Amino acid sequence: DSGVTQTPKHLITATGQRVTLRCSPRSGDLSVYWYQQSLDQGLQFLIQYYNGEERAKGNILERFSAQQFPDLHSELNLSSLELGDSALYFCASSVAFQITDTQYFGPGTRLTVL
Amino acid sequence: GDSVTQMEGPVTLSEEACLTINCTYTATGYPSLFWYVQYPGEGLQLLLKATKADDKGSNKGFEATYRKETTSFHLEKGSVQVSDSAVYFCALSEGIKAAGNKLTFGGGTRVLVKP
Repeated sequence: DSGVTQTPKHLITATGQRVTLRCSPRSGDLSVYWYQQSLDQGLQFLIQYYNGEERAKGNILERFSAQQFPDLHSELNLSSLELGDSALYFCASSVAFQITDTQYFGPGTRLTVL
Repeated sequence: GDSVTQMEGPVTLSEEACLTINCTYTATGYPSLFWYVQYPGEGLQLLLKATKADDKGSNKGFEATYRKETTSFHLEKGSVQVSDSAVYFCALSEGIKAAGNKLTFGGGTRVLVKP
């Protein structure tokens, strides 16, 4: 158990819908990251927050947005869903934002868009 | 940009065999290097890491040495067990300001150990 929690574990929805994925970081960690794992793209970085502020953006679509709240939990919002958005979405957390910091991953949310 | 290349699997081994998974990277600076493992139906777990050249990371019998001259970070284990069956990911964190300290992953190598 990494200490990072993600809900829900599974999500099945239809094209065009909007969903919210939730992540709680390990106690004491200030950075939260979101990654997408799909068969064709592999593991890709989406976005990073540090202590409530966006720190870095990766290959995140404009239809996707995220935020980190004062209690440090984070939410990833996916809208106008397409079939290709079906993937495993991981949240990770770390103490800060040094390149030596270990990122601890949650169990993931499996999103299926029908 | 930075990238990670690792050998494609699947790699099928018998119990007690030696395992080597090759990983090479491209980076403009001095990245930190990581190996993560993903067991079936689970998230990624850190296996080991190295943060500077010639560092050796080790954990659970696995080892990898940060080789800057060959830009490599190969994962090795001398005697695998059935429980080592998983997907292994090599990753780097470069820390370019605009990229934060995101992890860039290789494509993953599936390892299957047979009794």
